[in-house]
Amino acid sequence: AQRVTQPEKLLSVFKGAPVELKCNYSYSGSPELFWYVQYSRQRLQLLLRHISRESIKGFTADLNKGETSFHLKKPFAQEEDSAMYYCALRGRQGAQKLVFGQGTRLTINP
Amino acid sequence: DTGVSQDPRHKITKRGQNVTFRCDPISEHNRLYWYRQTLGQGPEFLTYFQNEAQLEKSRLLSDRFSAERPKGSFSTLEIQRTEQGDSAMYLCASSSQGTAYEQYFGPGTRLTVT
Repeated sequence: AQRVTQPEKLLSVFKGAPVELKCNYSYSGSPELFWYVQYSRQRLQLLLRHISRESIKGFTADLNKGETSFHLKKPFAQEEDSAMYYCALRGRQGAQKLVFGQGTRLTINP
Repeated sequence: DTGVSQDPRHKITKRGQNVTFRCDPISEHNRLYWYRQTLGQGPEFLTYFQNEAQLEKSRLLSDRFSAERPKGSFSTLEIQRTEQGDSAMYLCASSSQGTAYEQYFGPGTRLTVT
């Protein structure tokens, strides 16, 4: 079974503080992992994926197969980072569907 | 706006009625997806089309639900004999063959069944 768990529904940090949004997954094969973000009154959009190994808007995420985790990190939070963040998994090769976690609402306090 | 569009944006219906939603994907995208999102949850996959072929359906898609993409462009999702448990946000997404990993989402249709 494919499952994505985001243990924190709400996360609040101060501007300039480090941020870590946790994501754990359950999948027997080699998954593709993604982070999607939804800003207020905007659509759900892709933030980053593990294969690209790039930093987007200062965020990075490393796939840890041993711990089956894909945590999203940013060293210095900005107010514009406030949003809903969803971790997602795409499983078996050729599968197209995304399996999403419950989401974490991140609030950056000034 | 060249993004994914959905119509209507909101729908209120009485239990037992049928409803139909429409999704227009980004024009060059051949893949189209439907998801359902209930309050406090992430989107849940319902079904996937490649061109006009429906290639994958979730167990969530009961026999009251049907989706079509007749010409490989827009898609419709119909719910027959709606139930209160069908109340949710219905999201449509599309992607191109070359960058199938990135799904572009529409604004969603919020269904309320009274």
